[in-house]
Amino acid sequence: AQSVTQLGSHVSVSEGALVLLRCNYSSSVPPYLFWYVQYPNQGLQLLLKYTTGATLVKGINGFEAEFKKSETSFHLTKPSAHMSDAAEYFCAVSDLNTGKLIFGQGTTLQVKP
Amino acid sequence: SAVISQKPSRDICQRGTSLTIQCQVDSQVTMMFWYRQQPGQSLTLIATANQGSEATYESGFVIDKFPISRPNLTFSTLTVSNLSPEDSSIYLCSVEDPGGRTATNEKLFFGSGTQLSVL
Repeated sequence: AQSVTQLGSHVSVSEGALVLLRCNYSSSVPPYLFWYVQYPNQGLQLLLKYTTGATLVKGINGFEAEFKKSETSFHLTKPSAHMSDAAEYFCAVSDLNTGKLIFGQGTTLQVKP
Repeated sequence: SAVISQKPSRDICQRGTSLTIQCQVDSQVTMMFWYRQQPGQSLTLIATANQGSEATYESGFVIDKFPISRPNLTFSTLTVSNLSPEDSSIYLCSVEDPGGRTATNEKLFFGSGTQLSVL
């Protein structure tokens, strides 16, 4: 069965600094991977997804993630943090048998001025 | 895309009562999903609701505690019954991209959630 682990429930960076949110997965088959963002008092919004093809995936708001099969990772990065990036971020893997999404526990990103 | 209206956005309920959460979508969708997000934890799928059939519940969730209705392709309700403080969570409605379901739920849209607090 698939599972997702997000390392670090809380990450704090300074404005303009690199953002790195870690996600590792376990899957017996090539996974489909997702990053969602949840801004305060809002629903989840898809940031980016990896299905097939290029392993470096670009998403909205300057975020990108790289699928590394050898490391079973799908870390989310952004070169320069903005105050508006403060939110909770969820990594998810799709169960290819059922089509259901399995979420990690989430990482809260704090951006300091 | 899909626009999801979920209500109430928050509620405070007494132990032993029930809360019904509504989810309205601006497009017809086959599958709707209900998730729970407990404090400090990840999203957990409660059940999948297909129009015209009974909801399919995940392990650990039962119909008596979380009855679901799906009367048509744009609407669903989730009831959390016999509330206890442990039910205090955010409950989220989710739908697949109505533009066309893929085999792997490539894109889900989420409502803004219902924050439930049980006293």
